[in-house]
Amino acid sequence: DVKVTQSSRYLVKRTGEKVFLECVQDMDHENMFWYRQDPGLGLRLIYFSYDVKMKEKGDIPEGYSVSREKKERFSLILESASTNQTSMYLCASSRQGGGQPQHFGDGTRLSIL
Amino acid sequence: QQQVKQSPQSLIVQKGGISIINCAYENTAFDYFPWYQQFPGKGPALLIAIRPDVSEKKEGRFTISFNKSAKQFSLHIMDSQPGDSATYFCAASMANQAGTALIFGKGTTLSVSS
Repeated sequence: DVKVTQSSRYLVKRTGEKVFLECVQDMDHENMFWYRQDPGLGLRLIYFSYDVKMKEKGDIPEGYSVSREKKERFSLILESASTNQTSMYLCASSRQGGGQPQHFGDGTRLSIL
Repeated sequence: QQQVKQSPQSLIVQKGGISIINCAYENTAFDYFPWYQQFPGKGPALLIAIRPDVSEKKEGRFTISFNKSAKQFSLHIMDSQPGDSATYFCAASMANQAGTALIFGKGTTLSVSS
């Protein structure tokens, strides 16, 4: 079965810390995505990657960076965490092409204190 | 032009009733329209999707209706059940373009009362 695994379900960090969120998929998918989900704002795309070492900015990339050194792993980095980055973060993967279903992980609930 | 507008934000339906969620888009290049279902504590999962060459697609109790001229599509849940209580997201993209991402609506929280 298809699986997207996010390294932590809950994470608490302090303002100013560098935070790493990890995502691994086992489906050999070309595309990987990072979203944040906030009440009333839906799913907002932070970054996506359509190939190893390739990345594209989404709608809200400010304050975030990403890394994709291997096909199966996509990392989201908060360079200097701030309280407004407290959110649910969702990772997804899909086959190449815009018409492919995205498979989501169960999310990381990140709290920045 | 990249937005997908979804309504209503929340919906309460009696068991056995019909739930209807609507979405509208502006970019006429979009040609793939999926709906995702999300239960609390879980990531969204693909429920049903449609391409613009058909006006309707049905899978069990779930139906997508698509109106290309109006640039609108909707999800109908027939005989709604308490187990359908979830958040639903519509989305749109360009199916054959590599390096593109889905554009999601803001979601509809559905509660089906028993």
